[in-house]
Amino acid sequence: NAGVTQTPKFRVLKTGQSMTLLCAQDMNHEYMYWYRQDPGMGLRLIHYSVGEGTTAKGEVPDGYNVSRLKKQNFLLGLESAAPSQTSVYFCASSPQGTGFTDTQYFGPGTRLTVL
Amino acid sequence: TQLLEQSPQFLSIQEGENLTVYCNSSSVFSSLQWYRQEPGEGPVLLVTVVTGGEVKKLKRLTFQFGDARKDSSLHITAAQPGDTGLYLCAGNTGRRALTFGSGTRLQVQP
Repeated sequence: NAGVTQTPKFRVLKTGQSMTLLCAQDMNHEYMYWYRQDPGMGLRLIHYSVGEGTTAKGEVPDGYNVSRLKKQNFLLGLESAAPSQTSVYFCASSPQGTGFTDTQYFGPGTRLTVL
Repeated sequence: TQLLEQSPQFLSIQEGENLTVYCNSSSVFSSLQWYRQEPGEGPVLLVTVVTGGEVKKLKRLTFQFGDARKDSSLHITAAQPGDTGLYLCAGNTGRRALTFGSGTRLQVQP
């Protein structure tokens, strides 16, 4: 049981390049989330999904797209990377929505640098 | 503007000292969680509090939810180097996702 895994762990992009971050969970969780973490800002929600085939915008969605084609996977895409997207990205999953005081299980993070 | 304000932002103490970390908001939360994050890893849940005035203990850690469910505190007794990390509070206002505070970075010196 690996929990939540993220690929890749590190990435350096040039401005304007695109990439996709992959998140996978093997706990059969319904909800999945993408956050970014910047110094002094805590975790900010980018997008989330309440089930396979669904996505919704979070607090800072601009410049990102997501897809949840399979229940176990949640992909985060950057179509045209900008230096402001330099951050550490965390994926999380939970059995159901956090309105039910659910625990969110986090992956180890992806450190992205945009030059 | 952060919905959840944590204080202090940084704290460096000696092993054996006690400390309290605060999480404050003007909003009412249906529940509040505390997470600890170690360098290079994702946050890990420590506790969830739901009822106003609730107190929960986890070994040397004591968590309290304010009576009005707008604030919370984390008290650590006799801190140890293993307590070093980033402590995050996260609140749920009834939406489908949590709102995180900016965190308190704790360093416990041996």
